[in-house]
Amino acid sequence: GESVGLHLPTLSVQEGDNSIINCAYSNSASDYFIWYKQESGKGPQFIIDIRSNMDKRQGQRVTVLLNKTVKHLSLQIAATQPGDSAVYFCAERNGNEKLTFGTGTRLTIIP
Amino acid sequence: KAGVTQTPRYLIKTRGQQVTLSCSPISGHRSVSWYQQTPGQGLQFLFEYFSETQRNKGNFPGRFSGRQFSNSRSEMNVSTLELGDSALYLCASSLADWGETQYFGPGTRLLVL
Repeated sequence: GESVGLHLPTLSVQEGDNSIINCAYSNSASDYFIWYKQESGKGPQFIIDIRSNMDKRQGQRVTVLLNKTVKHLSLQIAATQPGDSAVYFCAERNGNEKLTFGTGTRLTIIP
Repeated sequence: KAGVTQTPRYLIKTRGQQVTLSCSPISGHRSVSWYQQTPGQGLQFLFEYFSETQRNKGNFPGRFSGRQFSNSRSEMNVSTLELGDSALYLCASSLADWGETQYFGPGTRLLVL
């Protein structure tokens, strides 16, 4: 079946540096991908999404890259801030099927 | 525009009881999805409703059920609670079609004793 996996469960980054969170997916038919941020005690918060007809999309301080050849998704956060500390989830979807989430990566920003 | 709201925020039940959780989607959103989140299993999809019809269903036992009302508000019910049902139950809403961004509520934290 489909699976969405994250390469690293934890990531520590110095404040001000850029961070990259990676995600691998196995369903080549997935056509929609999304990143969420979840802070302690809160529900996941939408960060950015991308459809399979794109390979890059930028938001405010964030960039999502999609490499369909190797089925890899990444989230780049520029100039990290303490408020970026959270668990980050990638998720994929194929058409109108359910959204499948990865296990999450905990990002810690070191002051 | 108000976000997704879930009630109650916290709940303590004992084994064998049943529980009903409520979710009010963002105004205008017609799709509501439910997820169970635990430290060990992560985010697991329960079901998705659109226009009062269940559109997708995850791999959970029949003790887990849901419904959606004509105003798009949704409820999920868990009968005969087990200790393993302790989790954060999250509701997410989206405008309509698949591929639409889902916006999550704060969740209901259920503890089963």
